[in-house]
Amino acid sequence: DAKTTQPTSMDCAEGRAANLPCNHSTISGNEYVYWYRQIHSQGPQYIIHGLKNNETNEMASLIITEDRKSSTLILPHATLRDTAVYYCIVRLSTGFQKLVFGTGTRLLVSP
Amino acid sequence: DTAVSQTPKYLVTQMGNDKSIKCEQNLGHDTMYWYKQDSKKFLKIMFSYNNKELIINETVPNRFSPKSPDKAHLNLHINSLELGDSAVYFCASSQVGERETQYFGPGTRLLVL
Repeated sequence: DAKTTQPTSMDCAEGRAANLPCNHSTISGNEYVYWYRQIHSQGPQYIIHGLKNNETNEMASLIITEDRKSSTLILPHATLRDTAVYYCIVRLSTGFQKLVFGTGTRLLVSP
Repeated sequence: DTAVSQTPKYLVTQMGNDKSIKCEQNLGHDTMYWYKQDSKKFLKIMFSYNNKELIINETVPNRFSPKSPDKAHLNLHINSLELGDSAVYFCASSQVGERETQYFGPGTRLLVL
């Protein structure tokens, strides 16, 4: 079973920031928070991951609360091509760890 | 060049047939995976191979048999196909390590009639 909870769907206007929340209240100290997304009919795509510090890359920013029980993925300027299902996943950082996908958040970016 | 490729992209076949799906990665990764995404869009891992050794084997019927001839390839053979096998099958690869991320292929859409 997935160890995260996400809203089923969200809407965002094109050009605005999309903030996608994720709850992972049972996360353990050596588990990372990963974000993937799946654009319609394509394979999942890695976005970002972090342990406890906030992270930023060319795609998004990841804000993790101090207690690590929740996080927010931020797409700073959403475009229509960001419409996808976004998955928040927690997993150990090392070893042979499978990705356990939940139901994710369906983000719809509208003009 | 495509990092993780799968063939075929589409596969339509009759119940009872045997079929194979092939996956290749050119990323130099040491670990490869097969995932299944059913009609309800749930994405679930089936198998994982590390350096040609099976390391993850979820509760999958014995009709499904993965084979890894080398680190760059992971094939999935399915015997006696059933209607419930209809799904999208995704291959993925990664390099095991602290900042491991998985790269997914485009998927193979299998329809069993």
